[in-house]
Amino acid sequence: GAVVSQHPSWVICKSGTSVKIECRSLDFQATTMFWYRQFPKQSLMLMATSNEGSKATYEQGVEKDKFLINHASLTLSTLTVTSAHPEDSSFYICSASRQIPNYGYTFGSGTRLTVV
Amino acid sequence: GENVEQHPSTLSVQEGDSAVIKCTYSDSASNYFPWYKQELGKRPQLIIDIRSNVGEKKDQRIAVTLNKTAKHFSLHITETQPEDSAVYFCAASKGMGNSGYALNFGKGTSLLVTP
Repeated sequence: GAVVSQHPSWVICKSGTSVKIECRSLDFQATTMFWYRQFPKQSLMLMATSNEGSKATYEQGVEKDKFLINHASLTLSTLTVTSAHPEDSSFYICSASRQIPNYGYTFGSGTRLTVV
Repeated sequence: GENVEQHPSTLSVQEGDSAVIKCTYSDSASNYFPWYKQELGKRPQLIIDIRSNVGEKKDQRIAVTLNKTAKHFSLHITETQPEDSAVYFCAASKGMGNSGYALNFGKGTSLLVTP
């Protein structure tokens, strides 16, 4: 149980275009979804926290107009990278916290974004 | 916010030896401390976790210790095998009981186990 499905697993896009990444909780309700970015050989850096039905909270230094997050339902959260640039190329991964049956975090499989 | 420091950044051991990775955290309200193993291009995989009301936890070759007073926790891997080679991350959260808190990660340790 406690599966988060993330799509796409990889995407290549041209500079200036937008890319949408989806995370779905398949067998539990994800009240809160966390979005991380991971550059090569670095750690996971929290970008934003999204709560179902409300605006996302962004970490310092993360542009909210560039990284649009929508959490319209208890099972779906999306991250849209707008006007992508090569420096946005990274590994993006979502994570949902759960309380039942045991406390923990479930990660999506990640999305490798390459902007050319 | 929470700051998690992790050492060492790289660790090389011979097969069969033990490996120890240490982390410190800054927020005394943190109550959940997981350890993850991550292979290249994959999601982090939980290998063991510990809650703030426990001082030590063991699962076969893997153990974690927590010192709340000193605000540090450590991962111990015994009888290492080449397949243990990966990047390991520690993390801390104060989210137990409240799903609104994210995990804060250390910078990672690249473990290499040589035959």
